[in-house]
Amino acid sequence: ILNVEQSPQSLHVQEGDSTNFTCSFPSSNFYALHWYRWETAKSPEALFVMTLNGDEKKKGRISATLNTKEGYSYLYIKGSQPEDSATYLCALLSGAGSYQLTFGKGTKLSVIP
Amino acid sequence: DSGVTQTPKHLITATGQRVTLRCSPRSGDLSVYWYQQSLDQGLQFLIQYYNGEERAKGNILERFSAQQFPDLHSELNLSSLELGDSALYFCATSGGSHTQYFGPGTRLTVL
Repeated sequence: ILNVEQSPQSLHVQEGDSTNFTCSFPSSNFYALHWYRWETAKSPEALFVMTLNGDEKKKGRISATLNTKEGYSYLYIKGSQPEDSATYLCALLSGAGSYQLTFGKGTKLSVIP
Repeated sequence: DSGVTQTPKHLITATGQRVTLRCSPRSGDLSVYWYQQSLDQGLQFLIQYYNGEERAKGNILERFSAQQFPDLHSELNLSSLELGDSALYFCATSGGSHTQYFGPGTRLTVL
């Protein structure tokens, strides 16, 4: 059973603050790492798919980095806005023949206006 | 809107009953994945179908089964329901990339 850990479990920040959170995963059998954003009462929405060590992806104020050798990924949000409030999930795709995503429990971000 | 549809949105049933959840993929997506989200649990992968065939199996109980039809829609069948089966059930679909697009989910309540 793969263990994908996310920290912190929850986070409260003031509007305008920048923030980041961590996803840790076993580095053996790594194939890809996914980040999803999950707003309350909606369905998870794909943010990034990262495959290469050292990869850095950006979408507006949100960016992510990947270190496959040490088994972690960081998600950064610059200048948080209330609409960024959501749960951010990471998921590991391990092994080229397997399409099974193993999800972490997520980091719940609340941005206070 | 991801383009993935799931019906019904909510389902309330009794223990011992059988239900069917339905998922229609985005146009062109051949893969369908089913996930369960229970209280305090992360999204748990249940099963994947690709173009009508089972591709990968996760933590799916023997009481649960799924299939994918020639038109690529999929159904998840849950039988002999127990209180602990109450959860949010998502399907997700994907095409050529590994990105999975999630449907709105079906909330199942077993009383």
